[in-house]
Amino acid sequence: EDQVTQSPEALRLQEGESSSLNCSYTVSGLRGLFWYRQDPGKGPEFLFTLYSAGEEKEKERLKATLTKKESFLHITAPKPEDSATYLCAVRATSGTYKYIFGTGTRLKVLA
Amino acid sequence: SAVISQKPSRDICQRGTSLTIQCQVDSQVTMMFWYRQQPGQSLTLIATANQGSEATYESGFVIDKFPISRPNLTFSTLTVSNMSPEDSSIYLCSAQAPGNEKLFFGSGTQLSVL
Repeated sequence: EDQVTQSPEALRLQEGESSSLNCSYTVSGLRGLFWYRQDPGKGPEFLFTLYSAGEEKEKERLKATLTKKESFLHITAPKPEDSATYLCAVRATSGTYKYIFGTGTRLKVLA
Repeated sequence: SAVISQKPSRDICQRGTSLTIQCQVDSQVTMMFWYRQQPGQSLTLIATANQGSEATYESGFVIDKFPISRPNLTFSTLTVSNMSPEDSSIYLCSAQAPGNEKLFFGSGTQLSVL
């Protein structure tokens, strides 16, 4: 069964304190792995798509990496405005077109 | 990219009533989906809204409870019927643009059932 597990559930960082969020996945064949940011009261906002092991994507203070079993979202020198819930999702090559979402990591960056 | 307008943004409803949520996309999209998001849980796919035909429902969701319409390529509605407190949740509309793997989301509808 296709599955996505994110850790930690919650993370508190001081401003400038770099860290990483983890997304472990089990899927029959990976069509794509997606990272989203969700602010309170809003829908998820797309950040990155990764397609194959070894691929990396960067945007400002965020960098996403992918292996055959997991993905990491690295946050370098975070700022309070990076506080949000970060969601990971996968899409399989076989079967339906469904996106399987993890439960997310709630990030709080303190000034 | 696609911009999705979803309304209402929130509502408080009485048990036994129904609520229809509207989703409007600013450009033509291939796929439209309806998700439910409960606190501490992942996004759960309710159904795929198919243009001009019946929606495709996921296990645990039925048409009588969650009727969906999609009369054209940019608009869809989700109705939550005969509501109970267990239906209290955030409901999200999403869409996939042609030739694009990523999903775009509306801002969600926060539903509380008393």
